[in-house]
Amino acid sequence: DTEVTQTPKHLVMGMTNKKSLKCEQHMGHRAMYWYKQKAKKPPELMFVYSYEKLSINESVPSRFSPECPNSSLLNLHLHALQPEDSALYLCASSQESGGATEAFFGQGTRLTVV
Amino acid sequence: GQNIDQPTEMTATEGAIVQINCTYQTSGFNGLFWYQQHAGEAPTFLSYNVLDGLEEKGRFSSFLSRSKGYSYLLLKELQMKDSASYLCGYQAGTALIFGKGTTLSVSS
Repeated sequence: DTEVTQTPKHLVMGMTNKKSLKCEQHMGHRAMYWYKQKAKKPPELMFVYSYEKLSINESVPSRFSPECPNSSLLNLHLHALQPEDSALYLCASSQESGGATEAFFGQGTRLTVV
Repeated sequence: GQNIDQPTEMTATEGAIVQINCTYQTSGFNGLFWYQQHAGEAPTFLSYNVLDGLEEKGRFSSFLSRSKGYSYLLLKELQMKDSASYLCGYQAGTALIFGKGTTLSVSS
């Protein structure tokens, strides 16, 4: 199983809503990532979890709140988002962080904030 | 991706060879990656270089010069399905950082 599964695939939410994006992998990877990608732009790193601990927060606004309940799951909790937060949110995992290993990406959640 | 530079767009014809260059500057470096991303899809891994030299994998090859902060991705025998965005990225510590990507258009 070399899959990273993200749910939902599409999400439309209002600016006052609270929603969560979910990511799951069963490859035994110990590093998991959240990226944000706008159209025609590269993925931008948001958060890195290494061994279930947050190791990098790339100055992401507090309306995005990551959570790593266990080594296979990664959530991104959303609250009071803005229309400019509409983007493709990609989850990725790799065997370990710090050493260079291939990262596997999920298919992403396409988020629209209205 | 402000420390990674690659061309924004390239065009080529079927059967041709194309080289996509990437230059980078970073204080911490664990390896240089190339990913392919088709429109609306997730990035998929193509290659990884940590030592200087050329890594060949089928129609795709990747080269790295650490002293020059330079890499390239070489695509041979281009096919229409190779039309995609090609992302150069480096691993620094726990972060995988991408450049802006090069959009390659292959025409018949």
